[in-house]
Amino acid sequence: QQQVKQSPQSLIVQKGGIPIINCAYENTAFDYFPWYQQFPGKGPALLIAIRPDVSEKKEGRFTISFNKSAKQFSLHIMDSQPGDSATYFCAASNTGRRALTFGSGTRLQVQP
Amino acid sequence: DTEVTQTPKHLVMGMTNKKSLKCEQHMGHRAMYWYKQKAKKPPELMFVYSYEKLSINESVPSRFSPECPNSSLLNLHLHALQPEDSALYLCASSQTGNPTDTQYFGPGTRLTVL
Repeated sequence: QQQVKQSPQSLIVQKGGIPIINCAYENTAFDYFPWYQQFPGKGPALLIAIRPDVSEKKEGRFTISFNKSAKQFSLHIMDSQPGDSATYFCAASNTGRRALTFGSGTRLQVQP
Repeated sequence: DTEVTQTPKHLVMGMTNKKSLKCEQHMGHRAMYWYKQKAKKPPELMFVYSYEKLSINESVPSRFSPECPNSSLLNLHLHALQPEDSALYLCASSQTGNPTDTQYFGPGTRLTVL
């Protein structure tokens, strides 16, 4: 129940494509689902986060889709650019838990 | 200012050395974290300080010793490390110790243990 399963492990898309990264969880107590972006040699940075009271959240070219009944959430990157090439981690938590539970990460490469 | 700074950027040490990693934030955050990250893996939580008190120790070996001198500073003292401890050590901070607060990460210290 502690895990957050993330797929795919790696992803290559062409510039302008829409990469989709998926995460699934078991713990129904989770109520906070952030996505972190990490560039090589840098620490992770919060990209976007969602609470389960909404099914979708958009911030610029980044969209989270949330399916509470399926216990799944996904990140979509619209009009992807080479500068989006990074590792993306989903995570989950809830108030009262000890810490964030991270997914295993997805290495995204956007080719020019 | 949403910056978390870490020093040094790189550190190479032998198994008998004693060294310290430093982390600083000036966002007024009251929670600070140490994570360990191996290549191609997610960050693994090591310690959490909340209001300058150690609130979480994720069963980390005693060769890692955290210290929080004040609300802006966090240190990680290293002693008698093993080669498998080589990793990127990340510091983070958040408003409080609530895991639903946004965590701001520093760039990390790349540690190599010979």
